[in-house]
Amino acid sequence: EPEVTQTPSHQVTQMGQEVILRCVPISNHLYFYWYRQILGQKVEFLVSFYNNEISEKSEIFDDQFSVERPDGSNFTLKIRSTKLEDSAMYFCASSSTWTNEQFFGPGTRLTVL
Amino acid sequence: EDQVTQSPEALRLQEGESSSLNCSYTVSGLRGLFWYRQDPGKGPEFLFTLYSAGEEKEKERLKATLTKKESFLHITAPKPEDSATYLCAVQHQGNTPLVFGKGTRLSVIA
Repeated sequence: EPEVTQTPSHQVTQMGQEVILRCVPISNHLYFYWYRQILGQKVEFLVSFYNNEISEKSEIFDDQFSVERPDGSNFTLKIRSTKLEDSAMYFCASSSTWTNEQFFGPGTRLTVL
Repeated sequence: EDQVTQSPEALRLQEGESSSLNCSYTVSGLRGLFWYRQDPGKGPEFLFTLYSAGEEKEKERLKATLTKKESFLHITAPKPEDSATYLCAVQHQGNTPLVFGKGTRLSVIA
């Protein structure tokens, strides 16, 4: 069964460093999303991406964040200068054009020290 | 602003003890209401989509129902492997971001 994959599963970084989180969405999906979940809190939307551009972004997704689809399979989230409060689980999700269901990856746990 | 409130926050059941989880929502034009299961340290796993009031969906011991203001996830004769956090989310337009509730943490004791 097709699934969303994410790498790495765990990333530890120093405050101020750049990180890139990677995702491979389900192959025939065209809508891509990033969400995050701070420990003990709800899943929060960051950004959605369709047709090679951002379609929607939340207030959390400020100038420190960027997304890219560098090739036909990968979808990345970059945080330019990490802060302590960026520590969270980051989930990638994708959906197709004919259903609304969003399928989530296993997540990347980002720890900023 | 779309809002989702789930109750209870935590629920502890004996194996075989049926119960229901509640998801109340306010949304400007509901496109879909989604139920997910989340195990600790994992990503949300899709369970159901409900689109209109009166709709019901079933999967094994789970049944989801929808009214104009809330959704219920009924768990019949739960087993320990049903222990997880159950998340409810709403969407006001197709292929747009989901707004999640905080979830209900379910523990089923053998």
